[in-house]
Amino acid sequence: RKEVEQDPGPFNVPEGATVAFNCTYSNSASQSFFWYRQDCRKEPKLLMSVYSSGNEDGRFTAQLNRASQYISLLIRDSKLSDSATYLCVVFPGGSYIPTFGRGTSLIVHP
Amino acid sequence: GAVVSQHPSRVICKSGTSVKIECRSLDFQATTMFWYRQFPKQSLMLMATSNEGSKATYEQGVEKDKFLINHASLTLSTLTVTSAHPEDSSFYICSVGVSGDTIYFGEGSGVAVV
Repeated sequence: RKEVEQDPGPFNVPEGATVAFNCTYSNSASQSFFWYRQDCRKEPKLLMSVYSSGNEDGRFTAQLNRASQYISLLIRDSKLSDSATYLCVVFPGGSYIPTFGRGTSLIVHP
Repeated sequence: GAVVSQHPSRVICKSGTSVKIECRSLDFQATTMFWYRQFPKQSLMLMATSNEGSKATYEQGVEKDKFLINHASLTLSTLTVTSAHPEDSSFYICSVGVSGDTIYFGEGSGVAVV
C-alpha cells in the first residue's frame, strides 16, 4: 500500500459545481497534513493546511479524519481557474521530509 | 517574492550529454535542500537530500553516480544529470524546508533529452 493515495481523476465538473477529493495515508503517526495546488509544469503551491478541527478558506474546506486516516478537500462554487492538480502532502511523525500523493486532476469547464 | 530560485526552467539536451540544474535559496541559509523528480501525471518523488558541506543522501533506486549533487554553499545546491538519456526527461524540482512543515519549492526545471 502506498503511503499516500489519491484518486488521480480527472474530475471534470462544470463551473459552480461542488467537488470533493479524498486522500488516504498509511502512517498512523503522521503529524501534519496539507493540500497543495500544482499547475502544469509549475511548482506546487500551498493551498491550505489541514487540522483535526477542519479549516475553511473561502470556497475551500479541508478536513482530517485521524481514525480513518484520510484528509479531504472540498471546493465549492468551482471556478475555471480552479483547474489544476491538487496534491495531498503528509509529514510522517518524526520526519521533516514530506510524502506527496500523486495528485488529483480537476478540470472545471464552462 | 520567490524564496527559492531554480534555473534553468527548461532545457533540451542531447542524449549522452550532462545537464546541470541550480537551486538557490534567497535571503536565507539552507543547510538542507531536497531534489524531486516528477514524471507526467505522477507524484513528486524524492530523489535525494542535499546537505551543505557533506555528501547527499540518495533515495533507494536513485543512482548517485548519475545524479550528482553538490551543495557547496548555504545558498546553492546543484543537480547534474550525467550522460542523460531520453528516460531521464522529467520535471525536476528542488525544495527547502525553512521552518517546521513549511516547504518552499523552486520553480522547477523541465528537462527534455533528445
